[in-house]
Amino acid sequence: LAKTTQPISMDSYEGQEVNITCSHNNIATNDYITWYQQFPSQGPRFIIQGYKTKVTNEVASLFIPADRKSSTLSLPRVSLSDTAVYYCLVDTADRGSTLGRLYFGRGTQLTVWP
Amino acid sequence: NAGVMQNPRHLVRRRGQEARLRCSPMKGHSHVYWYRQLPEEGLKFMVYLQKENIIDESGMPKERFSAEFPKEGPSILRIQQVVRGDSAAYFCASSPSGSVPYVKETQYFGPGTRLLVL
Repeated sequence: LAKTTQPISMDSYEGQEVNITCSHNNIATNDYITWYQQFPSQGPRFIIQGYKTKVTNEVASLFIPADRKSSTLSLPRVSLSDTAVYYCLVDTADRGSTLGRLYFGRGTQLTVWP
Repeated sequence: NAGVMQNPRHLVRRRGQEARLRCSPMKGHSHVYWYRQLPEEGLKFMVYLQKENIIDESGMPKERFSAEFPKEGPSILRIQQVVRGDSAAYFCASSPSGSVPYVKETQYFGPGTRLLVL
């Protein structure tokens, strides 16, 4: 599976838009890009998933350029409660090759300040 | 719809004892995954199970660790003769049937069990 690279940490203030970029240069044709959020002492929570272009849900937007070698998670108007670790995962749809397991890196620690 | 349930939330064991971690998947989910997270690190895959079957245990240590998902009841991750290096957070995740190829399914995670080995 494609290795992902994302910043170790980011800081923001309440009300700002936060963009976290993830690099995945070796992404394969069958791979999806998935983002999870993890609060302290909790399990990861699915945020958003995409294959190409732009995906938006009630929580975030995911921008994926045409070459798919990177992706950007966009969190609009963050609040203090958005302080968490955000993981970018490249995950194949081909269950036969990975048997369903997810590969987590160290993620990006986002800290939102008042 | 209740989420993934794990118990206990916290477990303290002395070196050499056994640790037994339980996971009840979301209703309707037949796939269970176990992950381990060490401090300041991301989650590492351990094992993938379906009812009564171990599908992939490539991430699990060869000794002292075992997992099962019986026909009835929760999935259990068992660690025998625990050592201090086993101290970590253990997360369980579940997903639906997975019967459709090339369909990406989300994994839903439980709150984790924090194991401390003294």
